[in-house]
Amino acid sequence: SAVISQKPSRDICQRGTSLTIQCQVDSQVTMMFWYRQQPGQSLTLIATANQGSEATYESGFVIDKFPISRPNLTFSTLTVSNLSPEDSSIYLCSVNANFGQGETYEQYFGPGTRLTVT
Amino acid sequence: TQLLEQSPQFLSIQEGENLTVYCNSSSVFSSLQWYRQEPGEGPVLLVTVVTGGEVKKLKRLTFQFGDARKDSSLHITAAQPGDTGLYLCAGLYNFNKFYFGSGTKLNVKP
Repeated sequence: SAVISQKPSRDICQRGTSLTIQCQVDSQVTMMFWYRQQPGQSLTLIATANQGSEATYESGFVIDKFPISRPNLTFSTLTVSNLSPEDSSIYLCSVNANFGQGETYEQYFGPGTRLTVT
Repeated sequence: TQLLEQSPQFLSIQEGENLTVYCNSSSVFSSLQWYRQEPGEGPVLLVTVVTGGEVKKLKRLTFQFGDARKDSSLHITAAQPGDTGLYLCAGLYNFNKFYFGSGTKLNVKP
């Protein structure tokens, strides 16, 4: 399995500012993912963070709004830029890993970062 | 747009009752996972199913993957208050990305 930590765990930000969320994994992984989750709802994939290349974004998400860094195989950051109240959500970092289980990939999540925009 | 639809969205039952949650898609998935999430925490993996028609049991939970690998179900026998939470299915698409279902909020009353 993988142990994932995120910082900060929560923050309250003013509109127009930006928040950068850090994600640290205890093992090297090829792919890291960023999700958004409205309270009580399901998860929506924002982008895939690939080490050594630009992130790939899902429909409805753009790099200018959600710039991502992936400097090495254990770390990634997601920035939520030009914040508005609609960005209030939980942001989760995730990794896919095989860990020697054959063809099966399993996904592990960080505890999430709860963002409130005022 | 969600690739996976879950039903029901909400379920409130008494302790001891049985329930089934469904996860359906028009897409074929390499594998499918079920998660349970409690407030303030990230989703916790319950099971991964890989083969069409596969059935896996985890104590009182039974998971099934459809023959065509487009749908799955989670059945809980004799539900307990500790089963309360948000249940999410997630399908592995193109062998590298997981897309989540719409979620089922389960409340088990003592």
